[in-house]
Amino acid sequence: DTEVTQTPKHLVMGMTNKKSLKCEQHMGHRAMYWYKQKAKKPPELMFVYSYEKLSINESVPSRFSPECPNSSLLNLHLHALQPEDSALYLCASSQRDRLPNQPQHFGDGTRLSIL
Amino acid sequence: DQQVKQNSPSLSVQEGRISILNCDYTNSMFDYFLWYKKYPAEGPTFLISISSIKDKNEDGRFTVFLNKSAKHLSLHIVPSQPGDSAVYFCAASEAGTASKLTFGTGTRLQVTL
Repeated sequence: DTEVTQTPKHLVMGMTNKKSLKCEQHMGHRAMYWYKQKAKKPPELMFVYSYEKLSINESVPSRFSPECPNSSLLNLHLHALQPEDSALYLCASSQRDRLPNQPQHFGDGTRLSIL
Repeated sequence: DQQVKQNSPSLSVQEGRISILNCDYTNSMFDYFLWYKKYPAEGPTFLISISSIKDKNEDGRFTVFLNKSAKHLSLHIVPSQPGDSAVYFCAASEAGTASKLTFGTGTRLQVTL
């Protein structure tokens, strides 16, 4: 069982819709991450939050908007997505950002399909 | 530019034998290395890690070896079990940027009976 919970597991949306992906962890971790994974490719980092503040944005288009309401929750707001944004979106957490030798723990992801 | 490479997309091993998964990297600033296992429809599960000050780390059936001079690491699974069948990703991060994991492309391991 993963200790990082993501909802929904699957999401189908049109290009004009607005939706949100949610991620929750109760391990007391203070760093949280969003990754995007396309089929047969490795996960690619999108955003890093450290102590509820955005610390890394890997040049992600503005149609993806992250939010960290508190230390346990991480959201990814989606608006006006393109078909090429269809992918598995993974959330991860670790004890601290920039703390060496700490693994990231992943949720099971949200499978997103853009029509 | 792929900084972390797993040159074998797939590997088949008999149950009970050793599985050896390999990973090469090009960035000499990487100092922390991890292996993740991924089943279909699940997120990556952390398996084992090693920092650059070590050359070996062992956890049960899993051992990771690091050869810094060759920029190579490997994961040994002994003995292999059918439940080990999954995609294995190696990942690496640089000192001071522990957040940014760079993943390899993965190796699909099939453990046969």
